[in-house]
Amino acid sequence: QLQLQESGPGLEKPSETLSLTCSVSGGSISSSSYYWGWIRQPPGKGLEWIGFIYNSGTTYYNPSLRSRVTISVDMSKSQFSLKLSSVTAADTAEYYCARAHRYYAMDVWGQGTTVIVS
Amino acid sequence: DIQMTQSPSSLSASVGDRVTITCRASQGISNYLAWYQQKPGKVPKLLIYAASTLQSGVPSRFSGSGSGTDFTLTISSLQPEDVATYYCQRYNSAPWTFGQGTKVEIK
Repeated sequence: QLQLQESGPGLEKPSETLSLTCSVSGGSISSSSYYWGWIRQPPGKGLEWIGFIYNSGTTYYNPSLRSRVTISVDMSKSQFSLKLSSVTAADTAEYYCARAHRYYAMDVWGQGTTVIVS
Repeated sequence: DIQMTQSPSSLSASVGDRVTITCRASQGISNYLAWYQQKPGKVPKLLIYAASTLQSGVPSRFSGSGSGTDFTLTISSLQPEDVATYYCQRYNSAPWTFGQGTKVEIK
């Protein structure tokens, strides 16, 4: 059964770059059928789609974050990563990684990791 | 970008009631609409994809309908374990926008 697990620092300073990794187990990250994405949720607020990567390199990002976001994949480690630059307090959120499919939507989610910018 | 608007933003209903949540897209999205359930303090869970297809393991009291711009999520008989916030999401094209969420509580 596919499992995703986020990891990364829980605390970032303003203006620095947030870096998170999602480790994929129980399945292949190299399948061309799936996208690998990130979603975040500020405290007490709704879900915000950040972006995804597929086909080993094609990326789509939320226009509101595009200038600061990079998503990449490391097939050899079965991991994909999120980098968000120039963070502010507004980037404080629970960050989730997820598997997505163009027909099945986002069907497998990680447990989430809390990032505080302070 | 296509905006997703859910209504109501919250509701309170009794156990056994039929509950309906609506989601409207600002432009047509065919049937590329998913519904997620997020219980308090938990990870969002996919309930329905392709507007009306129930994800494996989801109770049959949940159903979805709609196409184009107007969609609904229905809980046929509300149960205590259904207390959660429900989100719609379009995924016809990037960005895969979420609705603002509907919080469902027990009266």
